[in-house]
Amino acid sequence: GAVVSQHPSWVICKSGTSVKIECRSLDFQATTMFWYRQFPKQSLMLMATSNEGSKATYEQGVEKDKFLINHASLTLSTLTVTSAHPEDSSFYICSARDRTSGRVTGELFFGEGSRLTVL
Amino acid sequence: LAKTTQPISMDSYEGQEVNITCSHNNIATNDYITWYQQFPSQGPRFIIQGYKTKVTNEVASLFIPADRKSSTLSLPRVSLSDTAVYYCLVGDMANAGNNRKLIWGLGTSLAVNP
Repeated sequence: GAVVSQHPSWVICKSGTSVKIECRSLDFQATTMFWYRQFPKQSLMLMATSNEGSKATYEQGVEKDKFLINHASLTLSTLTVTSAHPEDSSFYICSARDRTSGRVTGELFFGEGSRLTVL
Repeated sequence: LAKTTQPISMDSYEGQEVNITCSHNNIATNDYITWYQQFPSQGPRFIIQGYKTKVTNEVASLFIPADRKSSTLSLPRVSLSDTAVYYCLVGDMANAGNNRKLIWGLGTSLAVNP
């Protein structure tokens, strides 16, 4: 199946710093990528939809100036957590959809996730 | 939005067949039913998808009754490595924009015991 890779898989940073997480589709092109956040013992919460070459669409309650998303190419989307604080500590997951897939079902491929800990 | 209801947790033993049922009473005509598996500190992994009747692949089977208001994921002969959270999603996933409408519930936490 298609592979989506996230980097870094885990990161620890000091409060007030910014952290960038990369999401790459390794063997397919993804016009659309999605960013999720998952707190312990909770489900995935969609943060934003990343569209190649255009601005991301943020879900209600997600600060676009806090969580900067850039989708500069068909294989790379980045999420930057700016001025991170301890409450931003979470598991961040990206997913992508193969733009060329002929499947009707629209399977989503997920990255391995990135664990962010803000001290 | 097609809301889904699943048991919060299930216990099983190695070698047993596990059936996890998901209720989705307001499923729409264009909606597919998709199941994902998630291990701790990993992203979800696609298991199986179906629209009606029965679908089988190398890891699971999916049973969908005629009214499509529920579905059952069947895992044959589970092993310890099948311990994970299983999510049932319902939606018209062919439309990328509809992904925003997908609601990830808490899933079913399956514990497989030796």
